[in-house]
Amino acid sequence: EAGVAQSPRYKIIEKRQSVAFWCNPISGHATLYWYQQILGQGPKLLIQFQNNGVVDDSQLPKDRFSAERLKGVDSTLKIQPAKLEDSAVYLCASSLVGTGPQHFGDGTRLSIL
Amino acid sequence: GIQVEQSPPDLILQEGANSTLRCNFSDSVNNLQWFHQNPWGQLINLFYIPSGTKQNGRLSATTVATERYSLLYISSSQTTDSGVYFCAVVYNFNKFYFGSGTKLNVKP
Repeated sequence: EAGVAQSPRYKIIEKRQSVAFWCNPISGHATLYWYQQILGQGPKLLIQFQNNGVVDDSQLPKDRFSAERLKGVDSTLKIQPAKLEDSAVYLCASSLVGTGPQHFGDGTRLSIL
Repeated sequence: GIQVEQSPPDLILQEGANSTLRCNFSDSVNNLQWFHQNPWGQLINLFYIPSGTKQNGRLSATTVATERYSLLYISSSQTTDSGVYFCAVVYNFNKFYFGSGTKLNVKP
């Protein structure tokens, strides 16, 4: 079984620029999550999708972050404009059902200059 | 929201030693998982354990949901066990929270 795929693995941008990350979950997994992990901390949930609907986006900074999962499979997370404090690893995870075990991708390491 | 506390925050072991990591949570949870984040940043599932006891090789976990804690046991530790161990809980059926982790360093 293929795991959760994310791209790119690394991204370096200047503040105020925009950036997008892509995630392809495990086949058949209805639930998809985006997390932000700042160095030295545990992952923080940004947004959770059930199929193509948003279940929870209470911790997503909506003034600059957006995410979509149009066909209930792949998802993109966008930051526009980026700030220095957005430097982090962005992790995507999926699960078969909402409370089931989550499987993580390798993440995208974002550096803001 | 729910508080998820892990202890100890840091742990140094000699190869071959045993250890117990603890996760306390402040309210009832629907799900609990243990993860290992290796030095390359990959998060690896260890256990999905909302209650009871499970074992996988040298690792085992126990969750006592009524007393709001979970334990992860590592026996005969190896250098490859180094990294950060996280517990994560599902609260209110759709709220996910990670603890701050236990950083383990196993020395040869």
